Amino acid sequence: NAGVTQTPKFRILKIGQSMTLQCTQDMNHNYMYWYRQDPGMGLKLIYYSVGAGITDKGEVPNGYNVSRSTTEDFPLRLELAAPSQTSVYFCATLLTSGRRAGELFFGEGSRLTVL
Amino acid sequence: DQQVKQNSPSLSVQEGRISILNCDYTNSMFDYFLWYKKYPAEGPTFLISISSIKDKNEDGRFTVFLNKSAKHLSLHIVPSQPGDSAVYFCAAQTQGGSEKLVFGKGTKLTVNP
Repeated sequence: NAGVTQTPKFRILKIGQSMTLQCTQDMNHNYMYWYRQDPGMGLKLIYYSVGAGITDKGEVPNGYNVSRSTTEDFPLRLELAAPSQTSVYFCATLLTSGRRAGELFFGEGSRLTVL
Repeated sequence: DQQVKQNSPSLSVQEGRISILNCDYTNSMFDYFLWYKKYPAEGPTFLISISSIKDKNEDGRFTVFLNKSAKHLSLHIVPSQPGDSAVYFCAAQTQGGSEKLVFGKGTKLTVNP
């Protein structure tokens, strides 16, 4: 049971390049999230999805796009990388039922540097 | 506008003593609070939560206290162990608003042997 898997773990981009951060989960959770964490800061919500085909903006969506064609996958796209997007990105899913409803399960993170 | 504040960036305690991590919030609509623990190079993991209908929740060495009138919660770890050394994030959400989970900046706890 892998949980939430993110790839790549590390990536260096040049300004203006594009890339996609992959996130896949095997827990059959409907809710999925993308957060970014800047040094010394908390996690900021970029985008989220409540199910396949449904996505919505979080607190800091500018410069990013997402899609959710399946329950398992929730890729995050950076179209024109900027230095301000240098951060650690976390994908997460949400447990919505049971004793621990409300608990987020995070991937290990993807460290992105834009030079 | 920081809705969830962890004013201590770091905390250092001796092994076996109590660790107290504090969190303040400004949004009175928050009704569910969670603590996450994060080790370096790993994603955060859920630690403990509390609903606004309670003022205390315990899970082994970890206890979370909620003071709604003061909009304050705290995480107590007793006794502290070196393996507890990590960054602890406080998070809060409104009812039915899982997508609106708001995180604090985190407190780095170091437990010295």
